This record gives sequence, C-alpha cells and structure tokens, in this order.
Amino acid sequence: NAGVMQNPRHLVRRRGQEARLRCSPMKGHSHVYWYRQLPEEGLKFMVYLQKENIIDESGMPKERFSAEFPKEGPSILRIQQVVRGDSAAYFCASSPRDTDGYTFGSGTRLTVV
Amino acid sequence: EDKVVQSPLSLVVHEGDTVTLNCSYEVTNFRSLLWYKQEKKAPTFLFMLTSSGIEKKSGRLSSILDKKELSSILNITATQTGDSAIYLCASFNAGNNRKLIWGLGTSLAVNP
Repeated sequence: NAGVMQNPRHLVRRRGQEARLRCSPMKGHSHVYWYRQLPEEGLKFMVYLQKENIIDESGMPKERFSAEFPKEGPSILRIQQVVRGDSAAYFCASSPRDTDGYTFGSGTRLTVV
Repeated sequence: EDKVVQSPLSLVVHEGDTVTLNCSYEVTNFRSLLWYKQEKKAPTFLFMLTSSGIEKKSGRLSSILDKKELSSILNITATQTGDSAIYLCASFNAGNNRKLIWGLGTSLAVNP
C-alpha cells in the first residue's frame, strides 16, 4: 500500500500562473481532505471531497481555488492566477469510509515568485 | 467557533527529560482527539483518543483524554533528539463534514 501520494513535492509558479496539485488517496479510501499549512497559522482545513462530490468547501477561498475528486484519477486542487500569499504547504489526507483515521500525504510545497 | 489550543507553543529540553504537552478543545459534536508528530514532511499519526481516562501508550509516548476538562496531554519520557518535532493536536467536529480542527502545535526541541 503506497499510502497517500501527492505530487509534485515542490512547485514553483510565477504570479498569475495556475497551480495544479494532485493527491491519490490510499487504496480503499474514498474520503479526501485538503489542508493548507502557513507558518503562522498551522494547518487549516480547505475542502472535503468524496468521489465526484464536494462535501464541505467551507475552508476554500471564494475565488481562484477549486477542487475535484473525479470518478477515476487523483483529486486535484487547482489555484488559478496564483499570488505570493498562496505560497504554503498543501497537504492531502484520506480516510476510509466510516472511521476517523486520517493518513496524510507528504504535501506539496508551493512557492509563488 | 470550534477551536483547539495547544500549550506551550515551544519547548526546549535536554535529552532524558520528560515533557508534557497540553491540548484543550472546544468542539461541537466532539468525537475524538488526535495527536500527530510533524517533522519536515507530513504529520504522522500518534494517537486517537475517544474515551476519557484511558491512557494510550506507544513506547515512550503516552496520551490521555479528559472530557470533563475538555483537554488532553501528551507525555514523552526519556526524550531523545529524534523526538524534536512539532506536535499537533486535532479534534473532529463529527457533524456532516467530519473535518479536523487543528491546534497550532507545540514545537519541541530536544538538545543533546
């Protein structure tokens, strides 16, 4: 079991470009969560998805950010027109259907220059 | 608003010392409290606590939940330099969204 796989590990984007972050959950996990970690703010919930459904996106900024978890393939967190303030570590976690156990991926470190 | 507060924010000890990290929570529909250790990469799971007063133990680490006080402690005995990390506490809001509410973490540095 390869665990939760995130790629890329590091991503550098210029201001105004798009960033796409990918997360493949653990085998058998159908719940995916995205978190952002900023140095002074700790881990912040962004969005919770199940296959083809966004369950809770209360932590997502209203503009430029979107997430999906298609029937096939990884979950994608998409940030359009990135700004310097988007620089952070973005973690994905997955969990099995009905238990509390979270497993985190290694994260994607986004740097906007 | 749901919140999880950890203390202290940072701690510096010598190898061999025992440390106690604190976590208090105010979470609606509380379901469980989790402890994670974060080094340079992703948080790694340590403990999940759901019942009050039952200690969970893993080697030199142990943790207990006090639902009356809405708090939990994480103890590390005979600390080693490899214990240096950020220790994160989080709690589930077990409403429909199942999202974790995170504390800011305690940064532990263990000096030789």
